[in-house]
Amino acid sequence: DIQMTQSPSTLSASVGDRVTFTCRASQSISSWLAWYQQKPGKAPKVLIYKASTLESGVPSRFSGSGSGTEFTLTISSLQPDDFATYYCQQYNSHSWTFGPGTKVEIK
Amino acid sequence: QVQLVESGGGVVQPGGSLRLSCAASGFTFSRSAMHWGRQSPGKGLEWVAFIRFDGSEKLYADSVKGRFTISRDDSKNTVYLQMNSLRVEDTALYYCAKDHGVGGGSIWGQGTMVTVSS
Repeated sequence: DIQMTQSPSTLSASVGDRVTFTCRASQSISSWLAWYQQKPGKAPKVLIYKASTLESGVPSRFSGSGSGTEFTLTISSLQPDDFATYYCQQYNSHSWTFGPGTKVEIK
Repeated sequence: QVQLVESGGGVVQPGGSLRLSCAASGFTFSRSAMHWGRQSPGKGLEWVAFIRFDGSEKLYADSVKGRFTISRDDSKNTVYLQMNSLRVEDTALYYCAKDHGVGGGSIWGQGTMVTVSS
């Protein structure tokens, strides 16, 4: 099974900050990686798929990069609506696996 | 727009069974692979099961293999998750999800809660 790790587990930041999270896969997954945002009591919402493709309707301040085993999600200017938990997910195989998440908190 | 609506959750005793349903609309269901995932209270996301668009391939997480069965009825645009021999650790919010596509990422429903407790 492909294992996913994320860092940091928690990130404290202020509105307007540029923030970057990292996701690593235990083996190469090419670009078959998605990033999700989840707010308390809500379903996960995809932000980025195929490592760097922005989902329709997602603000352009979100961007993704990477391939193989190392990936990043960047928020160029953190907005109040962005305080949430972010998960990476590999879909190189139909047996999806998720990272443990990065929680973005208000500093 | 794409919509997935889960139902069938509830409270069940250990060893019991439940069948979850997920009604899909807004896309060509018969051409879409589907998944079930879950999230235990306060925990992260866990993938549970996959079914290919034509039902020819089904995959399960090790934690549910042999106990859960995924199926689909394209005439009803619905995917199911039959859960048998339920355990306390199966307590979670269960989501269905449309597979990632060429033109867009995965879409998830709002979930249905399953509580396994005596």
